[in-house]
Amino acid sequence: KAGVTQTPRYLIKTRGQQVTLSCSPISGHRSVSWYQQTPGQGLQFLFEYFSETQRNKGNFPGRFSGRQFSNSRSEMNVSTLELGDSALYLCASSSRPMNTEAFFGQGTRLTVV
Amino acid sequence: ELKVEQNPLFLSMQEGKNYTIYCNYSTTSDRLYWYRQDPGKSLESLFVLLSNGAVKQEGRLMASLDTKARLSTLHITAAVHDLSATYFCAATYAFTSGTYKYIFGTGTRLKVLA
Repeated sequence: KAGVTQTPRYLIKTRGQQVTLSCSPISGHRSVSWYQQTPGQGLQFLFEYFSETQRNKGNFPGRFSGRQFSNSRSEMNVSTLELGDSALYLCASSSRPMNTEAFFGQGTRLTVV
Repeated sequence: ELKVEQNPLFLSMQEGKNYTIYCNYSTTSDRLYWYRQDPGKSLESLFVLLSNGAVKQEGRLMASLDTKARLSTLHITAAVHDLSATYFCAATYAFTSGTYKYIFGTGTRLKVLA
């Protein structure tokens, strides 16, 4: 059974640009959550999607957005990138909205220069 | 809101020794997870603890949960170098909508010295 797939694995962007990250969950999983990991703030919840609907959102500015498609794949977008957005972005897949065990992808390492 | 504290932040230990990582959480949580993360890698699920008194063991790692004390522990027995990694605990926070998110601890960076 394939795991959670995140693409791309690494990205380098310039301040002010925008970026889109992709996450394909485990087959049959309909919940996708996104987390940001930084040395200073640790792991923080960004948002969760289930059945193409955003169920919850963390304390991040509106520059951070996402969506989920009918096949459960999810994308997150960050607009007007700032240096502080440099982080490892992890996607988690679960069969139900996060009250079951979540499986994490390899992450996308975003560097903003 | 739910807060999760983990200690110690750093742990350097000799091979063959035992040690415990502590995870305290501030309010009721439905379940408690332990994850391992190697440098530059994703989070690998270790244990899911669902109820008070739950104890799970896998190899040299054993996790337990005391919901009354809001405390989970990860005990390492006879550490080996391969256990060097960062360990995170995570508790689930319930939104009023009935959905959840994970609140992670700060992580414990474990280094096992030969």
